[in-house]
Parts: sequence; C-alpha cells; structure tokens
Amino acid sequence: AQTVTQSQPEMSVQEAETVTLSCTYDTSENNYYLFWYKQPPSRQMILVIRQEAYKQQNATENRFSVNFQKAAKSFSLKISDSQLGDTAMYFCAFMKKGGANNLFFGTGTRLTVIP
Amino acid sequence: NAGVTQTPKFQVLKTGQSMTLQCAQDMNHEYMSWYRQDPGMGLRLIHYSVGAGITDQGEVPNGYNVSRSTTEDFPLRLLSAAPSQTSVYFCASRPDGTYEQYFGPGTRLTVT
Repeated sequence: AQTVTQSQPEMSVQEAETVTLSCTYDTSENNYYLFWYKQPPSRQMILVIRQEAYKQQNATENRFSVNFQKAAKSFSLKISDSQLGDTAMYFCAFMKKGGANNLFFGTGTRLTVIP
Repeated sequence: NAGVTQTPKFQVLKTGQSMTLQCAQDMNHEYMSWYRQDPGMGLRLIHYSVGAGITDQGEVPNGYNVSRSTTEDFPLRLLSAAPSQTSVYFCASRPDGTYEQYFGPGTRLTVT
C-alpha cells in the first residue's frame, strides 16, 4: 500500500517570498507519478505540478518547482514569488504507473500568503 | 466541453435516507473515480471504474454503491445514509494512458 505524509498542517509566507512545502511517501513501486494539487476556497482541485519517478530532473512550472529525492522518497514543492492567489490547501499525491492509476493523497498543508 | 460535472452541489440528508450523487463527463474518458474529503484528511478513494460496465472498490467503499452503464456517467449511491458519511465528495475522470485526473467541483453532503 502507498502512504503519503505531509507533516506541515499549516504554513504562512509573506507576499513575494519563497516557501517550501514538504511531502514524503512510502511505496514499493518503481514506476509512479507524484503530484501537487492546489485546492483554493472554491474547493476545486487544481493540478499544480507533476513528476515522473524515472525522470531525475526536477519538474518546474513557472513559479512552482519540486525537489524530488527518489531514494529518500521525498517530494517537496517550492513556490517562488508567492502571490495572494497562492493561498490554498496543497495536497501531495501519488499514482502508480499502470493499472487503475488511482491517486493516494496526503493530508494537506494550508498555505496562507500574507500581504 | 463542460468537463466533469457533479450534482447536487449541496445536500442535507437524515440518517437512513438514500440518495444518488450524480457525476458526468463529456470528454470520453475511460477512467472515473469517486473520492471523499474529510477535515484533516486527504481525499480517499471510494470506488472507481476503468470503463463502462466495470467498477471496483477503493480504500473506503463501505456504505456506497456505484455502477457504470455509460462512459459518461458514474453515479454514487448511498443506500442508508449515516452521519459518518458527512463529507465533501469529488468525482474525477482521466483518459486512458494518461496521468492527469480532471476533478468535478464537489458535493458537500451533511447527514444529520
């Protein structure tokens, strides 16, 4: 079974600063994806960034980047130049490659961007 | 495309009542799933379907039934609602062979 752990229930960051959200996971699989999802107050689940386990290069999407450490089973999200619109719950998620491809989520980190 | 739609957006039930949460997608996706989200927990998989006529259980299936008679629709049925089923329910779909799941807007269900 897969487990995903987010050890920071809440975090805050000043506008324009950088913040890093932590995520660790446990799996015996070798081929998988990792994701960060954003859930603003609207409740909509929005995919922020993904990482394929076989790729060593860390994924980046504009102000969002990850630090993927496969051996340590760690997958942190860095948000640069934080904006007020980044205020949301952030969920780390795991998906095995192949099969039903269902998502396993962490418990989330509530991020508040302070003006 | 409307994407993934869910109805209703909000629902209040009394213990023991039954109801069906509707989910539909117009993207011809093979994979569809139902998740529930509880405070302090991430989303947990209830049931999923890999195509019309095929369903399977997820992590927390007890108290819920599903069926998949068409590619477009994947309803979730609560046969006898219990307060423990108070939650926000999300439906998601995904094309075969890809990784990205498309989520619906969610249904907030309260069972009193």
